[in-house]
Amino acid sequence: EVQLVESGGGLVQPGGSLRLSCAASGFTFSSYWMHWVRQAPGKGLVWVSRINSDASSATYADSVKGRLTISRDNAKHTVSLQMNSLRAEDTAVYYCAMSYDYSNYAFDSWGQGALVTVSS
Amino acid sequence: QSALTQPPSASGSPAQSVTISCTGTSSDVGGYNYVSWYQQHPGKAPKLMIYEVSERPSGVPDRFSGSKSGNTASLTVSGLQAEDEADYYCSSYAGSDIWVFGGGTKLTVL
Repeated sequence: EVQLVESGGGLVQPGGSLRLSCAASGFTFSSYWMHWVRQAPGKGLVWVSRINSDASSATYADSVKGRLTISRDNAKHTVSLQMNSLRAEDTAVYYCAMSYDYSNYAFDSWGQGALVTVSS
Repeated sequence: QSALTQPPSASGSPAQSVTISCTGTSSDVGGYNYVSWYQQHPGKAPKLMIYEVSERPSGVPDRFSGSKSGNTASLTVSGLQAEDEADYYCSSYAGSDIWVFGGGTKLTVL
C-alpha cells in the first residue's frame, strides 16, 4: 500500500526558511515522479512542483519559482521541498502527491498534508 | 499558469444529477486529454475521481463521469447521495511538465 507522510511544517516568520519532507513507502520510490500541491486556508488546490524519478529534472509553478526547491533522496525514499524567502501567501497545507496506479498525469496518492504558517 | 475556471458552487437534491464545468485554454484542457477530477471532504486529502477526462479509478462509483468539449471539461454526478457533498477540483496537464488546478466547486446535496 502506498503511503506518503509529510513532516516539517510549522510557524515561520516572513522572509524565513523551512524544509518539508515526505517519506514514501509501499512502492518502488525511485521509479516514480513526485509532486507537491498546496492549499491555502479555505482556498483551492495549487500545483507547486514536480521532480522526475532520478532527480535530473524539476519544474515549478511561476508563483514559487526561485524560492522553493524540490529534491529527492531515492536511497532514503524521501522527497523534500526547501522553502526560502517565505511570504504570508505561502501559508498553506502542503501535500506530497504522486501518480502511482493510473495515469502519469493524475494524482492518485496523497499524503495527509503539512501546515506551513508564515506570520510574524 | 492561470487557474482553470470552475463555478464556486453547485447543488442538487438526492437522486438528481449535477454537472460541474472546468474551463481552461487550448494550452491546457483543450490541448491534452489529461483532465482529472478530485473530491475533497473537509479536513481530508483530495481523492482522485476521474483521470484522463473520463476514466474512473477502481472503487469510484459509476455515478461519477467525465467529459470534455474543446477547452471545457465537465464532471457529472448522477443519483446524488448525501456523501457526495464535498469540494470538487479539476486539474489539467499544461505541457512542459506543469499542471494546473481549478478553483474548486462546493457541491451541496439539498
